[in-house]
Amino acid sequence: AQSVTQPDIHITVSEGASLELRCNYSYGATPYLFWYVQSPGQGLQLLLKYFSGDTLVQGIKGFEAEFKRSQSSFNLRKPSVHWSDAAEYFCAVGAIGGYNKLIFGAGTRLAVHP
Amino acid sequence: GAVVSQHPSWVICKSGTSVKIECRSLDFQATTMFWYRQFPKQSLMLMATSNEGSKATYEQGVEKDKFLINHASLTLSTLTVTSAHPEDSSFYICSALAYNEQFFGPGTRLTVL
Repeated sequence: AQSVTQPDIHITVSEGASLELRCNYSYGATPYLFWYVQSPGQGLQLLLKYFSGDTLVQGIKGFEAEFKRSQSSFNLRKPSVHWSDAAEYFCAVGAIGGYNKLIFGAGTRLAVHP
Repeated sequence: GAVVSQHPSWVICKSGTSVKIECRSLDFQATTMFWYRQFPKQSLMLMATSNEGSKATYEQGVEKDKFLINHASLTLSTLTVTSAHPEDSSFYICSALAYNEQFFGPGTRLTVL
């Protein structure tokens, strides 16, 4: 069965520091992978997605993620965090066409210290 | 573009009453919409897939008679929680499928007293 694990429930970083949020997935075939951000009062926003091709994916707001099949991972990174990046981040895996039945990880809450 | 709204944003109701939540795609049409449920500090769980003009497809363990979904037009899907009980209190989120991507609404906080 498909599953997504985000090992870190809560992460705190200083503004300007680099960030890496971990995501591991379990899926029998080639996965379709997504990272979303959820801010209070707003809907989930897609940061980036991986369907195929280059395993290093660039997204919005300066985020990137790297698909590593050997490690079943799709970690999200940002070289320099801004205070406005404080939010909840969800990794998700999709099946059958990539956008149906998204399976979400438990989420990682990011706090940013000034 | 690709904005999804939900109404109401929050609702409090008495146990035993029914509550309807609307999900609208404001600037695009969506044949398919999804309904999720999110418990505090937990992930989103897909409840059902809503297809315009046909019956919704419910995930295993979701009571279709309790969570009625109607997708009457290409811009509107509704979720009705019937005979709500305190355990139905949760954050309900919808999304609309377009351009090979799901666009999410801001969510509806339901509290059942």
